[in-house]
Amino acid sequence: EVQLVESGGNLVQPGGSLRLSCEASGFSFSSYAMSWVRQAPGKGLEWVSSTSEGGANKYYADSVKGRFTISRDNSKNTLYLQMKNLRGDDTAIYFCAKAAVATHPYYFDFWGRGTLITVSS
Amino acid sequence: DIVMTQSPATLSVSPGERATLSCRARQSVDSNLAWYQQKPGQGPRLFIYNASTRATGIPARFSGSGSGTEFTLTISSLQSEDFAVYHCQQYNKWPRTFGQGTKVEIK
Repeated sequence: EVQLVESGGNLVQPGGSLRLSCEASGFSFSSYAMSWVRQAPGKGLEWVSSTSEGGANKYYADSVKGRFTISRDNSKNTLYLQMKNLRGDDTAIYFCAKAAVATHPYYFDFWGRGTLITVSS
Repeated sequence: DIVMTQSPATLSVSPGERATLSCRARQSVDSNLAWYQQKPGQGPRLFIYNASTRATGIPARFSGSGSGTEFTLTISSLQSEDFAVYHCQQYNKWPRTFGQGTKVEIK
């Protein structure tokens, strides 16, 4: 059974930093592109970032480019999102999502339950 | 960015009735469109990809259609477990973009 479990969400002050983790199990993690998608309270989904299966290729939404860094440790089956210079509009539930097509983050066939980040003073 | 617009925002339907959800792209996304279902407190679940292909385990009462800029998700006979929010997503270009969601509620 595929499982994705996010952690690291917290209350953080504007300008602060945070690192999210997503622990994966039930599939060959190193063979799949992975992504982060967020959802602000009461809003729709917003794609944040994706990484290729080996981590060499990375993609970012303009809203987070230069502030967020996606990475992965395939030896630990874990995806990360390092966030810095956090702003109020980063407040959201952050979901980890697995690419349905192994090497292409087109659409996502498994998602975690998410972890909440609140940016507020 | 390709803006995705879903309508209506909320759809009130009685169990057993048919529901039709719309998703429109500001520019063509060919057939590179997915639909997800999301229930409170959960991550989204993939329902449809390539505009019309049902994902594993998705009942036949769900069907997707369309290409280019106009897409539809149809639920032929709503069951209690189908009341949820449905999101569309294009993957024709970066960045991947989602619609704002349609909430299907019990009438």
